[in-house]
Amino acid sequence: AQKITQTQPGMFVQEKEAVTLDCTYDTSDPSYGLFWYKQPSSGEMIFLIYQGSYDQQNATEGRYSLNFQKARKSANLVISASQLGDSAMYFCAMREGSNTGNQFYFGTGTSLTVIP
Amino acid sequence: DSGVTQTPKHLITATGQRVTLRCSPRSGDLSVYWYQQSLDQGLQFLIQYYNGEERAKGNILERFSAQQFPDLHSELNLSSLELGDSALYFCASSASSWRSPLHFGNGTRLTVT
Repeated sequence: AQKITQTQPGMFVQEKEAVTLDCTYDTSDPSYGLFWYKQPSSGEMIFLIYQGSYDQQNATEGRYSLNFQKARKSANLVISASQLGDSAMYFCAMREGSNTGNQFYFGTGTSLTVIP
Repeated sequence: DSGVTQTPKHLITATGQRVTLRCSPRSGDLSVYWYQQSLDQGLQFLIQYYNGEERAKGNILERFSAQQFPDLHSELNLSSLELGDSALYFCASSASSWRSPLHFGNGTRLTVT
């Protein structure tokens, strides 16, 4: 089974609108971290936001927020007030606490295009 | 700036050749990870080192090898290169806690001609 599933290969959003990028995960470990990364066309991987399994509140970082629904095992990234510079690939990732290798599991990514 | 340094930024070489990619992790991070990203593909985990020892192996070809040195920098060696090895190779480092994110270097773009 896939540890991280991103079902939206591509998304479009109008500038200044909000957009939600979906991410579901699969783990039986009670301790885990969820991470989102942005990869613009220039290629670098930029860490955006983190959510821990024990966190009671949804994480927020500026225009980024995480809609964390633990029972549904989803950790969707919400980008508010989209900007042209938000056009990029977005990857969801998970790290399990009991995984002695401390592996990171990545989804296949969602390509976001912001339309002016 | 992630604090992870990767060199070189670009590399163009011919089939059959061997190259070495170098990575310096963020200060304090003991874990180094290597990933391969082919054109329009996701991230393929290659290998992880922790404090000089191999910790986990992913889809790494036998023609590829890596090591982490006592000063914690790491090298990824790619030999007998094929056209299909052309990709963006990332090094990333992380602290040990599961709460800690991966911090990526800017990548080495390898082109095999």
